[in-house]
Amino acid sequence: GAVVSQHPSRVICKSGTSVKIECRSLDFQATTMFWYRQFPKQSLMLMATSNEGSKATYEQGVEKDKFLINHASLTLSTLTVTSAHPEDSSFYICSAWTGNHGYTFGSGTRLTVV
Amino acid sequence: GEDVEQSLFLSVREGDSSVINCTYTDSSSTYLYWYKQEPGAGLQLLTYIFSNMDMKQDQRLTVLLNKKDKHLSLRIADTQTGDSAIYFCAYKRGAGNMLTFGGGTRLMVKP
Repeated sequence: GAVVSQHPSRVICKSGTSVKIECRSLDFQATTMFWYRQFPKQSLMLMATSNEGSKATYEQGVEKDKFLINHASLTLSTLTVTSAHPEDSSFYICSAWTGNHGYTFGSGTRLTVV
Repeated sequence: GEDVEQSLFLSVREGDSSVINCTYTDSSSTYLYWYKQEPGAGLQLLTYIFSNMDMKQDQRLTVLLNKKDKHLSLRIADTQTGDSAIYFCAYKRGAGNMLTFGGGTRLMVKP
């Protein structure tokens, strides 16, 4: 149980376009979703914490206007990278606190901006 | 310094035991976790230990916690080539649900 489905797994987009990444909790209600960014051969960097029905809390240095997070329902949180640039290319992973099962992670989205 | 530190790389031979170490600074940590990440994939929870425990064993995995020294280790017995991955330790503070991750240890298992 406690599965988070993350889509797309891989996306290549042109500079200046926006990309939406979705994370769905399949068999539980995710009141809190965490969004991470991972650079090659590095650890996960927490970008923001989203709570269902309220504004996301962004970590220091993360531009909230660039990385739009929406958590409108208990089973869906989205991260939109707006006006993407090559430096936004990275691996993005969502995670949800499930309570009984601890944290569960999505499978990640590899974003390449060309 | 970093909140959670891990060595970058570990290489072992198939069938040997692997020990991955982690040190942390926050004494208020409640749960400590070990995650496995294979290339291009998300994180898979391997095991966790509550801060009032010293040891936890789950099949081939043994977690040791030295709370006094703030040291956590993961031992993988009879390491297989499929165990090759990056292993992250992480902890959860008492308040809130945020995880703090170490930098990850890349385990390479040679046949």
